[in-house]
Amino acid sequence: AQSVTQPDIHITVSEGASLELRCNYSYGATPYLFWYVQSPGQGLQLLLKYFSGDTLVQGIKGFEAEFKRSQSSFNLRKPSVHWSDAAEYFCAVLGGGADGLTFGKGTHLIIQP
Amino acid sequence: DGGITQSPKYLFRKEGQNVTLSCEQNLNHDAMYWYRQDPGQGLRLIYYSQIVNDFQKGDIAEGYSVSREKKESFPLTVTSAQKNPTAFYLCASSVAGGSYEQYFGPGTRLTVT
Repeated sequence: AQSVTQPDIHITVSEGASLELRCNYSYGATPYLFWYVQSPGQGLQLLLKYFSGDTLVQGIKGFEAEFKRSQSSFNLRKPSVHWSDAAEYFCAVLGGGADGLTFGKGTHLIIQP
Repeated sequence: DGGITQSPKYLFRKEGQNVTLSCEQNLNHDAMYWYRQDPGQGLRLIYYSQIVNDFQKGDIAEGYSVSREKKESFPLTVTSAQKNPTAFYLCASSVAGGSYEQYFGPGTRLTVT
C-alpha cells in the first residue's frame, strides 16, 4: 500500500524568504503526486500535480515541485512567500487505480512579518 | 458556477443518533469520494464511488454508509456504530476514477456529544 510522509509538522518562514516543504512517498510503481493547500476550516485547493514527463512541475500561486524518483520525493518550493501563503499543505499520492488519495499528515506553514 | 456543495457547514448531534452529510456536485464528474480529517492526521478515505449505484469501502469505512443514486449526489451517513464521529468531513469528485485530480468541497464539521 502507498504511503506519504511529510517530515515537518510546522514550518516558520519570514515573508519574502524562500520555502521548501518536504514530501516522501512509498509506492511500487510510478506514482501520481499532488500538493494541496487548505486554509483554516476550508476545503482543499489543488496547487499542482505530477503524472509523468517533466519532473519539475509548475502550479498556481507561484509554487513548483520537483519529482525525484531516486529519492522518492516530491518537494514543494516557492522562491518568495507572501503572508497569504500561511496555511496547511498536504502532499498526496494516487495509486493508479480507482482508489482515493493517500495523504500525508500535513505541514502547517507560518509566515513571520 | 461549477463546484461541490456540502451542507451544512456545521452539524451537531447527540451520541447514538445517525446523521447524514450532503454532498452535491455539478461538475459532471463520475467519481466521488468522502474523506475524514482529524487534527494532525491528514485526510483518510472513507468511501468512494466511480459510477452511479456502485461504491467501494476506503480505509476507514466502519461505522459509515453511503449511497449513489444520482451522479450529482453522494451522501454520507455517520451511524451510531462509528465510535469517534466528531471530525471534519470532506467530499471530493473527479472526472473519473484513476489518474485524475480531485476537487474538494468546503467540508462539514460534525460534532457529536
